[in-house]
Amino acid sequence: NAGVTQTPKFRILKIGQSMTLQCTQDMNHNYMYWYRQDPGMGLKLIYYSVGAGITDKGEVPNGYNVSRSTTEDFPLRLELAAPSQTSVYFCASPPDLEGLVRDTQYFGPGTRLTVL
Amino acid sequence: GESVGLHLPTLSVQEGDNSIINCAYSNSASDYFIWYKQESGKGPQFIIDIRSNMDKRQGQRVTVLLNKTVKHLSLQIAATQPGDSAVYFCAENIGSGGSYIPTFGRGTSLIVHP
Repeated sequence: NAGVTQTPKFRILKIGQSMTLQCTQDMNHNYMYWYRQDPGMGLKLIYYSVGAGITDKGEVPNGYNVSRSTTEDFPLRLELAAPSQTSVYFCASPPDLEGLVRDTQYFGPGTRLTVL
Repeated sequence: GESVGLHLPTLSVQEGDNSIINCAYSNSASDYFIWYKQESGKGPQFIIDIRSNMDKRQGQRVTVLLNKTVKHLSLQIAATQPGDSAVYFCAENIGSGGSYIPTFGRGTSLIVHP
């Protein structure tokens, strides 16, 4: 099992460009999340999904969109990139409540995005 | 000791000492709490969790204490090793009705000196 994979690892965008961050999990989990992490800060929830066809806003959804057409995939779309979206983006897919197991990777490796 | 840096609080300890990392959570209705470890350049990794009907839970070299009265969590790491150097986050579940929506705290940087 690969766990959670994210692509790309790095990206530089110009202001106003758009892009999609890909996230795929092969654990058959219902929950998937997108977080952003600014330097020296915690993770802020952008959007989440509790299952295919269901998405919901998190704490900082403005400027982003998501879709969940399959259990495996949860892409994050930036339509008009802004410098404030410069951050590291993490996708996560834990099991349901209290199903976490130590040393299992539930977070992807991250996408480092710079908007100039 | 513990100090507040420019962004993250930092805890510096000597190898072999016990470490205590503290976290204040915000929502008195939160029913489930998780500690994550994040090494540089990587995503957070699950360490230990605790339900709100417990006040203590132990794992391998780690113990989590929960004080619901003051909305406080702590993570104790026994015999701290250089490999424990990382940023530690607590997360509280803000979901209801059995749903799982973890919200992360600010994080504490643990530095272990050999």
